Amino acid sequence: ETGVTQSPTHLIKTRGQQVTLRCSSQSGHNTVSWYQQALGQGPQFIFQYYREEENGRGNFPPRFSGLQFPNYSSELNVNALELDDSALYLCASSLAAGASYEQYFGPGTRLTVT
Amino acid sequence: GESVGLHLPTLSVQEGDNSIINCAYSNSASDYFIWYKQESGKGPQFIIDIRSNMDKRQGQRVTVLLNKTVKHLSLQIAATQPGDSAVYFCAEKKGAAGNKLTFGGGTRVLVKP
Repeated sequence: ETGVTQSPTHLIKTRGQQVTLRCSSQSGHNTVSWYQQALGQGPQFIFQYYREEENGRGNFPPRFSGLQFPNYSSELNVNALELDDSALYLCASSLAAGASYEQYFGPGTRLTVT
Repeated sequence: GESVGLHLPTLSVQEGDNSIINCAYSNSASDYFIWYKQESGKGPQFIIDIRSNMDKRQGQRVTVLLNKTVKHLSLQIAATQPGDSAVYFCAEKKGAAGNKLTFGGGTRVLVKP
């Protein structure tokens, strides 16, 4: 176990709805990254938060947004859900934002959009 | 554009044999190359990484080889065990891009008893 927790484990939403996913980082980690993993594919980088500020973003539309709180936990919000948003959403925490720091992944939240 | 890909989608290996998983990358500017293992229902688990200025690194039962000339990365697992059955991903990081990982599509390893 990595010490990174995510909630909920599974979620079913309807197209057009909004969803909030949560991540608690490993103790002492100030950086959280979010990834989307479609079935049978590798994770795709959504964005990263470092000390409560967005620190890099992948090729995802603005309806994907996030927050990081003073305790370094994080939320991923997705508005106007589309069917293609169905995926496993992973968060990963690391000690800091530099490339030399290992990322520790949580178990993910499985989102199904119908 | 950047891409990290894998040659074989599925690898079947006899228990006790060695496994070799291959990965091709296109971004020669990457600073780190990492191998992750993902078991069903779990997030990716770090196995081993290698800096771009190295060509070989060994861990416990695993060895990563980096050939920058042909932009090829491989993971060797010695004496493969049933617990090694999983999907393996290679990923890369560029120092200037911080801690953003770019993943390939994965190789499923099936260990036969």
